[in-house]
Amino acid sequence: EVQLVESGGGLVQPGGSLRLSCAASGFSFSSYEMNWVRQAPGKGLEWVSYISSRSSNIYYADSVKGRFTISRDNAKNSLYLQMNSLRAEDTAVYYCAREAGGNSIDYWGQGTLVTVSS
Amino acid sequence: DIQMTQSPSSLSASVGDRVTITCRASQSISSYLNWYQQKPGKAPKLLIYTTSNLQSGVPSRFSGSGSGTDFTLTISSLQPEDFATYYCQQTYNTPRTFGQGTKVEIK
Repeated sequence: EVQLVESGGGLVQPGGSLRLSCAASGFSFSSYEMNWVRQAPGKGLEWVSYISSRSSNIYYADSVKGRFTISRDNAKNSLYLQMNSLRAEDTAVYYCAREAGGNSIDYWGQGTLVTVSS
Repeated sequence: DIQMTQSPSSLSASVGDRVTITCRASQSISSYLNWYQQKPGKAPKLLIYTTSNLQSGVPSRFSGSGSGTDFTLTISSLQPEDFATYYCQQTYNTPRTFGQGTKVEIK
C-alpha cells in the first residue's frame, strides 16, 4: 500500500524556518517524481514545488522561489521541504504528493499544518 | 504562468442529476489536464488524468473531455458521496496551476 506521511509542521514566527519531511512507503520511491502542494485555510490548492526522481530537475512556484528548497533522499525514501523566511501567507496545510501519468498526482499524504504567526 | 478558470464556482444539484464542470486554460495545454475531488478535511483524490483517462478505482459515472484550452468534467448521475469540491490542474508546464475549485452542494 502506498503511504506518504508528512511531519514537521507547526507554529512558527514570521521570518522563521521549518523543515517538512515526507516518509514514503509501499512503492519504489526512487522511481517517482514528487511534489509539494499546499492549501491555505478555506482556500484552494496551490502547487509549491516539484523534484524529479534523481533530483536533476527542480521547480518552484514564484511565491516560494528563493525561500523554499525541495530535496529528497532516495536511500531513506524521504522527501523534504526546507522553508525559510516564512510569511503569514505561507500558513497552509502542506501535502506531499506522488506524480503519475500525465504528471498528475495519484497519491497524497494526509498533510501537515504550518502556521506562521507571532 | 498558465491561468486555470473553473466554472461555476459552486453549484447545487440533486442526487441523480447530470453535472458538468468546465475548466478553461489561458493558453493551450494540449491534453495535460487533470481533475481532483476533495472532501472537507481530506487530501484531494485523483479522478481523471490527461483529460479523459479514468483513474483506477474511480466510478465510471465520472468522465472528462476537451483539448487545447477548454475542458469538461461530467458526473453522469450524481451520487450522495459526490458532494465535494472539484479542482482542475494543468501539468503542461510549471507552475502546475490549479483552478479555483467548484463546490458541488446538495440541492
